[in-house]
Amino acid sequence: NAGVTQTPKFQVLKTGQSMTLQCAQDMNHNSMYWYRQDPGMGLRLIYYSASEGTTDKGEVPNGYNVSRLNKREFSLRLESAAPSQTSVYFCASSEFRGLGYTFGSGTRLTVV
Amino acid sequence: GENVEQHPSTLSVQEGDSAVIKCTYSDSASNYFPWYKQELGKRPQLIIDIRSNVGEKKDQRIAVTLNKTAKHFSLHITETQPEDSAVYFCAVYGGSQGNLIFGKGTKLSVKP
Repeated sequence: NAGVTQTPKFQVLKTGQSMTLQCAQDMNHNSMYWYRQDPGMGLRLIYYSASEGTTDKGEVPNGYNVSRLNKREFSLRLESAAPSQTSVYFCASSEFRGLGYTFGSGTRLTVV
Repeated sequence: GENVEQHPSTLSVQEGDSAVIKCTYSDSASNYFPWYKQELGKRPQLIIDIRSNVGEKKDQRIAVTLNKTAKHFSLHITETQPEDSAVYFCAVYGGSQGNLIFGKGTKLSVKP
């Protein structure tokens, strides 16, 4: 099993460009999450999907949108990238909300 | 909302020594407390967790203790080895927050 797969692994964007980060899990998990990780800030929740068909804002949602395409896939979109969005982004999934997270390998995004 | 504080932010020990990382939380209704290990450039991975009805849990060289009255829990690593060098995150779930709330992390360095 692949677990949680994120693409791309690395990306450089210019300010104002848009992009979508893809995440897919093959564990039949109900809940999926997007986090960003910045030095000294830990892991901060951007958006989450408690179950297929639902999405909700986390701690730092501004500048992002998400889509829960189906039970397996949860994408994160940056409509107009800003340098403040330079970060490492992790997707995660869990069978039940809040419990037993499995993380993807991360996307290192640089906005110049 | 829930507030999770993690100390220390950095910890350096000699190989073979013990390491202790402590987290405090604010919501007394929180009931699940996992610890994640993140090696350099890798994804966070769950290493041990504890629920509120248990005071201590061990898994080989690692253990977690929970003091619900004082609202703190700690990760204990004994006989540290260089491969224990990583960033460790505590997290809290339950109460008013429906998702895991992470501490800001502790960078552990084990010197050979």
